[in-house]
Amino acid sequence: EAGVAQSPRYKIIEKRQSVAFWCNPISGHATLYWYQQILGQGPKLLIQFQNNGVVDDSQLPKDRFSAERLKGVDSTLKIQPAKLEDSAVYLCASSLPGANVLTFGAGSRLTVL
Amino acid sequence: QQQVKQSPQSLIVQKGGISIINCAYENTAFDYFPWYQQFPGKGPALLIAIRPDVSEKKEGRFTISFNKSAKQFSLHIMDSQPGDSATYFCAASTPQKLVFGQGTRLTINP
Repeated sequence: EAGVAQSPRYKIIEKRQSVAFWCNPISGHATLYWYQQILGQGPKLLIQFQNNGVVDDSQLPKDRFSAERLKGVDSTLKIQPAKLEDSAVYLCASSLPGANVLTFGAGSRLTVL
Repeated sequence: QQQVKQSPQSLIVQKGGISIINCAYENTAFDYFPWYQQFPGKGPALLIAIRPDVSEKKEGRFTISFNKSAKQFSLHIMDSQPGDSATYFCAASTPQKLVFGQGTRLTINP
């Protein structure tokens, strides 16, 4: 079984620039998550999708972050404009509906200068 | 109420020793308590998990101890090996949400 694919693995941008991250979940996993992991901290949920609908985006900074999951498969997370404090690893995870077990991708490391 | 508090932040154990990481939670709606292991440059991977209807679960060298009344649970790694050096996250979930602890960086000295 192929894992959760994420790209790019690394991105360095200047503050106020924009960036987008892409995620392809495990085939058949209807639930997709984006987590933000700041260095030295645990992952924090940004947004959760069930198919192409949003289940929870309560911790997504909606003034600068957006995410979509068209067709209920791939997902894109965008940050515009980026701030210094957005430097983090952005983890995508997927699971079967209602399942507690999440499978994570390797993450996309963002550095904002 | 959604927080999970994890300690210690970092831990150094000699090879062959026992590594113990502790977590505490407040929300009694949590019904699933997984531990994730994360190596540098990788995403977290599920290591072992427990539900609150049992007090202990063992898988190989890894054991979760669960104290429902105290709202605490811990991970024990027996006969710790250098390959166990990683960051460990406890977590707690309801059917709707998974919340992670802050993480413990474990180093096993050879």
